[in-house]
Amino acid sequence: NAGVTQTPKFQVLKTGQSMTLQCAQDMNHEYMSWYRQDPGMGLRLIHYSVGAGITDQGEVPNGYNVSRSTTEDFPLRLLSAAPSQTSVYFCASKWAPANTGELFFGEGSRLTVL
Amino acid sequence: GENVEQHPSTLSVQEGDSAVIKCTYSDSASNYFPWYKQELGKRPQLIIDIRSNVGEKKDQRIAVTLNKTAKHFSLHITETQPEDSAVYFCAASLDSSYKLIFGSGTRLLVRP
Repeated sequence: NAGVTQTPKFQVLKTGQSMTLQCAQDMNHEYMSWYRQDPGMGLRLIHYSVGAGITDQGEVPNGYNVSRSTTEDFPLRLLSAAPSQTSVYFCASKWAPANTGELFFGEGSRLTVL
Repeated sequence: GENVEQHPSTLSVQEGDSAVIKCTYSDSASNYFPWYKQELGKRPQLIIDIRSNVGEKKDQRIAVTLNKTAKHFSLHITETQPEDSAVYFCAASLDSSYKLIFGSGTRLLVRP
């Protein structure tokens, strides 16, 4: 099993450009989520999903969209990139339905917005 | 919503000493408290977790304690080794929500 796979690993954007960070998992996990990691601010939850067709907002959802059309995939879309969105983004998944259990992270995607 | 505060932000200890990292949470309904370790340039990985019906849990050199009344929980690492150097994150989750909210992280440096 590949686990949680994120692409791309690195991306540079100009302010106002749009892009999609891809996330796929092959562990048949119902729960998937996106976090951003900034120095001194830990991991902040952007959006999450408890199953195909179901998404919800986390702590910092503004400027990001998600969709969950399949169990395996959970893409994160930046509609109009801003320098404040420069960060390292992690996709993570776990087995549901309980709130407990290990969250498996991808390797991360480093995004720079100029 | 849930808020998790973590202290200290950095911690430097001598190899062989103990390290303690503390977290407080805001929502008394939270019932699951994991700890993740992130080595430099790597992804976070679960090292230990505790549920609200347990006061303490140990796994070799690491232990977690939970005080539900005070709404705080702590990570204890004994006999620290250089390979324990990493960033450690605490987190909390409610039974009614799958959201896992993380603290701001503690950078632990173990000096040889």
